Amino acid sequence: NAGVTQTPKFQVLKTGQSMTLQCAQDMNHNSMYWYRQDPGMGLRLIYYSASEGTTDKGEVPNGYNVSRLNKREFSLRLESAAPSQTSVYFCASSEQGETQYFGPGTRLLVL
Amino acid sequence: GENVEQHPSTLSVQEGDSAVIKCTYSDSASNYFPWYKQELGKRPQLIIDIRSNVGEKKDQRIAVTLNKTAKHFSLHITETQPEDSAVYFCAASGSARQLTFGSGTQLTVLP
Repeated sequence: NAGVTQTPKFQVLKTGQSMTLQCAQDMNHNSMYWYRQDPGMGLRLIYYSASEGTTDKGEVPNGYNVSRLNKREFSLRLESAAPSQTSVYFCASSEQGETQYFGPGTRLLVL
Repeated sequence: GENVEQHPSTLSVQEGDSAVIKCTYSDSASNYFPWYKQELGKRPQLIIDIRSNVGEKKDQRIAVTLNKTAKHFSLHITETQPEDSAVYFCAASGSARQLTFGSGTQLTVLP
């Protein structure tokens, strides 16, 4: 039982490049989330998926897109990376409104 | 939407002393309040949670109290140890059934 896994662990991009962050959970949770964490800013919700087949914007969705591929997988895509998107990205899963379990994070640097 | 404020942003205590972190929330419909601990470079991990039908919950050296009337909840750590040093986040699950996080408290336990 791996819980929540994320790939890659680290990534360096140049401005304008695109990439997809992958997340998978094996806890059979309905809800999945993407957060970004910047120093002193706490965790800010980018997008979430309350159940398979649905996605909704969070607090800071601009510059991102998501896909809920199936119940296990929820990906985050940066179409044209900007330096302001340098951050640590965490995926999480839960039953709706309940305890969220986080993945190990992806550290992204955009030059 | 829900708004969660957390204080203080930094807290230093002597080993063996107690530490208290306080949070307030805005959505009176919020009914689930978890606390997460995040060590440097690691993912946030749940340490304790409380639901709105309970006023206090304890787990060894950690306790959480909830005052629904005043819309605030607090984390209490007794007999602090150096391994308690970390960033602590409070969160509240509001009417949208998502978690809104506080901005975090950096706790340092001095030997």
